[in-house]
Amino acid sequence: NAGVTQTPKFQVLKTGQSMTLQCAQDMNHEYMSWYRQDPGMGLRLIHYSVGAGITDQGEVPNGYNVSRSTTEDFPLRLLSAAPSQTSVYFCASKRGSTGELFFGEGSRLTVL
Amino acid sequence: EDQVTQSPEALRLQEGESSSLNCSYTVSGLRGLFWYRQDPGKGPEFLFTLYSAGEEKEKERLKATLTKKESFLHITAPKPEDSATYLCAVRPDTDKLIFGTGTRLQVFP
Repeated sequence: NAGVTQTPKFQVLKTGQSMTLQCAQDMNHEYMSWYRQDPGMGLRLIHYSVGAGITDQGEVPNGYNVSRSTTEDFPLRLLSAAPSQTSVYFCASKRGSTGELFFGEGSRLTVL
Repeated sequence: EDQVTQSPEALRLQEGESSSLNCSYTVSGLRGLFWYRQDPGKGPEFLFTLYSAGEEKEKERLKATLTKKESFLHITAPKPEDSATYLCAVRPDTDKLIFGTGTRLQVFP
């Protein structure tokens, strides 16, 4: 089972560039989310989705966009990258509103 | 304000030396407390969910317990392969998980 798959694993951007982090899950989970993990801070929720066509903001949504056109995919778009967006990004999914999150392997982004 | 605090930040143990990790929380309407293990360069991996005070769950050398204010992750006779960062998270009534900063555990042979 693939579970939650994230691409790319590593990316270096220049300030002002845009890019999309891809996330796909094969567990038929309704709920998908994006977190960022920074040293000395807990995982922080960026955006989440409770089903296809439905998205909402988390704790730190500024500078990021998401869409959910299918159950399987939940891409995260950086519109104009800034050094403050240097982080490790994790996609996670779960079935329904309860239950545990399943995480991807992470995408390490550096913005110069 | 909903908050999760984990202690210690780092813990070094000799193989076989049992210890406990702490997760204290203040949250409105706890709907679950979660423990995850995270290896370097990997995503968090689910360990346990606890829902009510007094609940305990075990898996191999790990046992998680829950009170109204905190949770403990007890590690009995740890092995080097238990070395990882252990994350605690709570689900308040807003249904959005709040994560602690984790305890980095190193177990030496």
